[in-house]
Amino acid sequence: NAGVTQTPKFQVLKTGQSMTLQCAQDMNHNSMYWYRQDPGMGLRLIYYSASEGTTDKGEVPNGYNVSRLNKREFSLRLESAAPSQTSVYFCASSSQVSGFPGSNQPQHFGDGTRLSIL
Amino acid sequence: QKEVEQDPGPLSVPEGAIVSLNCTYSNSAFQYFMWYRQYSRKGPELLMYTYSSGNKEDGRFTAQVDKSSKYISLFIRDSQPSDSATYLCAMSAAWYSSASKIIFGSGTRLSIRP
Repeated sequence: NAGVTQTPKFQVLKTGQSMTLQCAQDMNHNSMYWYRQDPGMGLRLIYYSASEGTTDKGEVPNGYNVSRLNKREFSLRLESAAPSQTSVYFCASSSQVSGFPGSNQPQHFGDGTRLSIL
Repeated sequence: QKEVEQDPGPLSVPEGAIVSLNCTYSNSAFQYFMWYRQYSRKGPELLMYTYSSGNKEDGRFTAQVDKSSKYISLFIRDSQPSDSATYLCAMSAAWYSSASKIIFGSGTRLSIRP
């Protein structure tokens, strides 16, 4: 039972390079999220997808794009990486509360992608 | 001012001690409160979640919410070395809207000495 799987686990990029972080969940969850975690800052929401076909900005969306490829997969793209984007990136997913469309249960997280931008 | 404040620690206690972890918050709309445990180089895992004020117990863990003081706590009884991790509090105004985001504290690093 994999839960939330993120690839790659580690990546080093040069400033200006682009890359896509992949996330897949096998729990049949409707909602998926991308966070970044920085020391002293906690988890900050970058983008989320409440359901297949929809995406919305979170707290820190600048410099990122997302794609909800299908119900299972939600990718995060850095078009032109900057040193300020050095961080640990977490993908999460959650299910709806029964009878409350659009609502969300607590989130389940992957083990993260450690990204360094030189 | 952050919406959720959490002492970063580190907090070091001997095995078997009772541990108290705390968070304060400023948004009175928060109704759902969670504690996550995060081991080194792993993602956060949900430990407990509670609704509104009161206590909830699960084994050695007790979550306590005092909405009047905007203060939540996690108590760990008979602490074990395997409890060494970073503990994140989190809260949300409601489950009823996908726009109602979960706000996380920055985490308290806990170390249990054998």
